Amino acid sequence: EAQVTQNPRYLITVTGKKLTVTCSQNMNHEYMSWYRQDPGLGLRQIYYSMNVEVTDKGDVPEGYKVSRKEKRNFPLILESPSPNQTSLYFCASRTGRSYEQYFGPGTRLTVT
Amino acid sequence: AQSVTQPDIHITVSEGASLELRCNYSYGATPYLFWYVQSPGQGLQLLLKYFSGDTLVQGIKGFEAEFKRSQSSFNLRKPSVHWSDAAEYFCAVGAPGTASKLTFGTGTRLQVTL
Repeated sequence: EAQVTQNPRYLITVTGKKLTVTCSQNMNHEYMSWYRQDPGLGLRQIYYSMNVEVTDKGDVPEGYKVSRKEKRNFPLILESPSPNQTSLYFCASRTGRSYEQYFGPGTRLTVT
Repeated sequence: AQSVTQPDIHITVSEGASLELRCNYSYGATPYLFWYVQSPGQGLQLLLKYFSGDTLVQGIKGFEAEFKRSQSSFNLRKPSVHWSDAAEYFCAVGAPGTASKLTFGTGTRLQVTL
């Protein structure tokens, strides 16, 4: 089944404790993105990747890092999480020819 | 830079009634346009998309949307709403030729009364 998976689905952590949210897709898509969703703000793009080793900032990259060492994986790294990063995070992927994005199920992160 | 406005934060309709959710975009040329639906606790599912051609596009679950260039709008419609349509709906715009950037509206939450 074609899908985007994220882990963990739920995470509660404390300020300053480094964490990684994994994202994997099995559709051989070139493009992958991370979004955060906050009430009243919709989804905002954090980072995106056009292919292996090619990444760029989205609209709200501060406090986040990404890497794309393999085509299928695009982890999101919070090196020193803060409470303002409490949010619902979505990973998405698409092919190079289509703008139709496939979204993962989301990761709800709480930073205390 | 592109932007999207969904002027209705919350809409309530009765089951069986018709539905129209509004979406206005700002972009210098013809953008790529999308509607996504998010059910409670779920990810986003694509309802329909417009790239070019016929301005009335059909999607899944009986939804349709019409691209109106003169009004910079891409409103979502359904002739008869079902209780299972209760969800949050997001309009999104993508700029042709740019890499993977979708700009989302703030969403419209649909409540369906029985």
